[in-house]
Amino acid sequence: AQKVTQAQTEISVVEKEDVTLDCVYETRDTTYYLFWYKQPPSGELVFLIRRNSFDEQNEISGRYSWNFQKSTSSFNFTITASQVVDSAVYFCALSEVYGGATNKLIFGTGTLLAVQP
Amino acid sequence: DAGVIQSPRHEVTEMGQEVTLRCKPISGHNSLFWYRQTMMRGLELLIYFNNNVPIDDSGMPEDRFSAKMPNASFSTLKIQPSEPRDSAVYFCASSFAKHYEQYFGPGTRLTVT
Repeated sequence: AQKVTQAQTEISVVEKEDVTLDCVYETRDTTYYLFWYKQPPSGELVFLIRRNSFDEQNEISGRYSWNFQKSTSSFNFTITASQVVDSAVYFCALSEVYGGATNKLIFGTGTLLAVQP
Repeated sequence: DAGVIQSPRHEVTEMGQEVTLRCKPISGHNSLFWYRQTMMRGLELLIYFNNNVPIDDSGMPEDRFSAKMPNASFSTLKIQPSEPRDSAVYFCASSFAKHYEQYFGPGTRLTVT
């Protein structure tokens, strides 16, 4: 069965520290998609990245980077030089290509990141 | 471009009342999703539509919940009768196609007293 595990419930860092949020997934499919979303204190869910299972290249976007490793079923997210505005709950999610019709996102339980000034 | 629009943003109602939540997806998106978020259960998918047709409603908690999508630009989630345990934030999301990223609305915070 498909599952997304974010073992870190809460992380607290001081501004300018680097921080890595872990995401481990389980799936039966060989074709799937992985996502990260950010939920700041204001409550909205903000899309950050989508990655398909055939593309294991790491991605960098400004201070954000993502490390996808199929061998360990992990899709970790690193914030470099964290800032107070990065404080939020971060969700990892999985979408399987199951039967060709579904488009469901399976979310992890989220990691609360608190960046202290 | 406008994102996903939800109304109302906040709803307070008494147990037993009917509640209707509304959603306007992003223009051109053909998949629409309703989620519920609570502290206890996290983010749960309630139902999703593809091209206005309900594809999977296995997450709808019980018969008190119903959802419709009469056209490509409008969907409703109705709870009748509402109960205190329905208190949650309800999100609507839309996506362009299968397996594309979903864009979420701001959510409706529902409180049932």
